[in-house]
Amino acid sequence: QKEVEQNSGPLSVPEGAIASLNCTYSDRGSQSFFWYRQYSGKSPELIMFIYSNGDKEDGRFTAQLNKASQYVSLLIRDSQPSDSATYLCAVGKAAGGSYIPTFGRGTSLIVHP
Amino acid sequence: GAVVSQHPSWVICKSGTSVKIECRSLDFQATTMFWYRQFPKQSLMLMATSNEGSKATYEQGVEKDKFLINHASLTLSTLTVTSAHPEDSSFYICSARGTGGRHEQYFGPGTRLTVT
Repeated sequence: QKEVEQNSGPLSVPEGAIASLNCTYSDRGSQSFFWYRQYSGKSPELIMFIYSNGDKEDGRFTAQLNKASQYVSLLIRDSQPSDSATYLCAVGKAAGGSYIPTFGRGTSLIVHP
Repeated sequence: GAVVSQHPSWVICKSGTSVKIECRSLDFQATTMFWYRQFPKQSLMLMATSNEGSKATYEQGVEKDKFLINHASLTLSTLTVTSAHPEDSSFYICSARGTGGRHEQYFGPGTRLTVT
């Protein structure tokens, strides 16, 4: 079983709609959860992080964490064509004094006008 | 804040030569830096983790004698690809994590390496 799983997509949504991206993880001890956006040919950019159960909102983005069900999601409201990118979920925990996050393979999002 | 730079942004070198890539945290101190490689349309692959002043920890399958990592200060880490070959052509990306126990890591813009 992969440690961090994401549907590769592509997820296609019309402009103005809500895009919902999901990520599941296998390690119940995971402590921190991140969403990165990566445009083609560019490096990942951190857009959200969440440590506690519940929702965290930042502008058009909402991260939702459910540790009991081991999933984390990212909602993008009022999707714009410029949101078209690959979204990477990363999950991590501290172990033995070190901390290394594990990345999912990413979900491709296409927002069409 | 949390800006990470990489230099060079792209490099072309001949097979058999070595290439050094620099990664700098510009506005924060990075106790830990990560080096990733990404082939076209594939996911990020963690190559190694380095902590300032310590030897890097390499992921399984990554040759430490080929990919030399130095993290000599809290703001600078370098990756040297030694005796590069065409199969080493890839997008190399560093990321940095700050001090204070925070887990967020910030990525540099990446270095595109082409070995001819």
